[in-house]
Amino acid sequence: DTGVSQNPRHKITKRGQNVTFRCDPISEHNRLYWYRQTLGQGPEFLTYFQNEAQLEKSRLLSDRFSAERPKGSFSTLEIQRTEQGDSAMYLCASSRTGTGGRGTDTQYFGPGTRLTVL
Amino acid sequence: DAKTTQPNSMESNEEEPVHLPCNHSTISGTDYIHWYRQLPSQGPEYVIHGLTSNVNNRMASLAIAEDRKSSTLILHRATLRDAAVYYCILRSVYGQNFVFGPGTRLSVLP
Repeated sequence: DTGVSQNPRHKITKRGQNVTFRCDPISEHNRLYWYRQTLGQGPEFLTYFQNEAQLEKSRLLSDRFSAERPKGSFSTLEIQRTEQGDSAMYLCASSRTGTGGRGTDTQYFGPGTRLTVL
Repeated sequence: DAKTTQPNSMESNEEEPVHLPCNHSTISGTDYIHWYRQLPSQGPEYVIHGLTSNVNNRMASLAIAEDRKSSTLILHRATLRDAAVYYCILRSVYGQNFVFGPGTRLSVLP
């Protein structure tokens, strides 16, 4: 179990630029989640994939945000035309379908990508 | 989404037990109670979860009130490594995603 990895760990960009983050989940995990976390707050859900299908999207996910999970493996989160309000930690988590249903599966989080928009 | 209420911060001495409370008065019958914690500069990590009965694992114990409107995470002997933000989260079996609140920041004093 190598854990969930995220790259890059830090990204500094200028307002208006596009950025892309990558998440590599634990290999046998079919579910993948993206969250955003600002200072002093808990993580906020952005979107969820089961295998390659994006099944849920938060209202927080504006049309400048897009996420993909080709072939149900790694995932990318792209932010277009970044704004200063996008500065945050972006967290990825993965889990495996358990016998107890989705209410019981344990999410394993990566270390996050810290985005700073200047 | 059913909400939880936790104290903003708590302090404990090293090697003493810690009881972290969580109120969830609007919990429904299909909601599991999950606890995660977030160490500094890391993503959250799973601690424990339960539905109705008290639960124990190697990290902690979860005590759930009989009416399920509150729960308590118990760390039996706090260590410095337990200093973290602890999140109490309700999650439906029907697949609502985690809704994190601001959590309780636990400080452990040597």
